[in-house]
Amino acid sequence: DAKTTQPNSMESNEEEPVHLPCNHSTISGTDYIHWYRQLPSQGPEYVIHGLTSNVNNRMASLAIAEDRKSSTLILHRATLRDAAVYYCILRDSNAGGTSYGKLTFGQGTILTVHP
Amino acid sequence: KAGVTQTPRYLIKTRGQQVTLSCSPISGHRSVSWYQQTPGQGLQFLFEYFSETQRNKGNFPGRFSGRQFSNSRSEMNVSTLELGDSALYLCASLYDAGVAHNEQFFGPGTRLTVL
Repeated sequence: DAKTTQPNSMESNEEEPVHLPCNHSTISGTDYIHWYRQLPSQGPEYVIHGLTSNVNNRMASLAIAEDRKSSTLILHRATLRDAAVYYCILRDSNAGGTSYGKLTFGQGTILTVHP
Repeated sequence: KAGVTQTPRYLIKTRGQQVTLSCSPISGHRSVSWYQQTPGQGLQFLFEYFSETQRNKGNFPGRFSGRQFSNSRSEMNVSTLELGDSALYLCASLYDAGVAHNEQFFGPGTRLTVL
């Protein structure tokens, strides 16, 4: 899997927007960009994914650079419950079925949200 | 729909013993993956089972093994426990629709402590 680079940590204030960056300069044309987060004492949970176009869901937005070498996860109004480790992961759609159940996690970004 | 369940949630063992952890995936999900999470190495993929067959395997010694039953429930076993096996073991299930970008659903994990 192609490598991603994320800042080790970021801080935000409650009810402010948060932009979590991810660099993936070696991304291939068939790589999907996925984001997962892990709240304290819980397993990771899916947040959002995209291929080329920006994506929105009830949890967040994903902004993908035109050259796809970077992306940004946007939390529009951070809450205390959004304090977690956020992981940016690439998934190759050409890798075949044997890879569907494997996620390659990096170190992620620790997001701290201040009241 | 019930989520992924793992039992037990906490376990304490001594060096040299063996341990079996259990995971029940979301109903209808035939893929079950296992991950090890430690402070030093982060989240690492152990293996994935799909329709009772191991479909993918991470870089772990043969002491780590698993199996999947016809009802998709999975177990993982660690034999001859070492202190370094102390970790959070996470199970994830996936609805394999033949695409690479389906989300994985994680359980709460089993916290294993080896003394």
